[in-house]
Amino acid sequence: GAGVSQSPSNKVTEKGKDVELRCDPISGHTALYWYRQSLGQGLEFLIYFQGNSAPDKSGLPSDRFSAERTGGSVSTLTIQRTQQEDSAVYLCASSRDRREQYFGPGTRLTVT
Amino acid sequence: KQEVTQIPAALSVPEGENLVLNCSFTDSAIYNLQWFRQDPGKGLTSLLLIQSSQREQTSGRLNASLDKSSGRSTLYIAASQPGDSATYLCAADSGTYKYIFGTGTRLKVLA
Repeated sequence: GAGVSQSPSNKVTEKGKDVELRCDPISGHTALYWYRQSLGQGLEFLIYFQGNSAPDKSGLPSDRFSAERTGGSVSTLTIQRTQQEDSAVYLCASSRDRREQYFGPGTRLTVT
Repeated sequence: KQEVTQIPAALSVPEGENLVLNCSFTDSAIYNLQWFRQDPGKGLTSLLLIQSSQREQTSGRLNASLDKSSGRSTLYIAASQPGDSATYLCAADSGTYKYIFGTGTRLKVLA
């Protein structure tokens, strides 16, 4: 079946602009996660959703970052007023309850 | 606060060798531990998931073990192949749905 998909695969934006990153999880997966991987760094947890609710937003780096999930499916991560330090690969994963996480290919964000 | 460490950071071995990758975690109250591989420029591929009630999981040439009391997990790769070259990541869920990742072991298997 189809895996986790993310769009766009690459995004180049100017400092100060807003960006939206999209994640389509595997059908039937109730949990959805966003991570960030900066160059040479490990994966940093951002937020997770159980259904449409986000019980843990503690990983969001600042109030410029927000995320939503609708219909228990698609999720959007929005970064407002982007900064150069936001440049990273943003990864989305989904899982059925507490089981294995399946990752999408990621969105590479470059802020110039 | 859970912290996850992976040693070594990089490893280079000749084809055919059996090898062990190590993952240490500070909070033994984990719910799941998952091993992934990441190829350059790609997302993560799930290899094995070990639940807290389990001690090991096997898939093909891979075997992962979990020892909560010592705060360790190991990934054993038998008869390594050049195609196994990748970065291997472990991640621990301490019961909060929030996976904490190690920084990975970069493996290179030489033909």
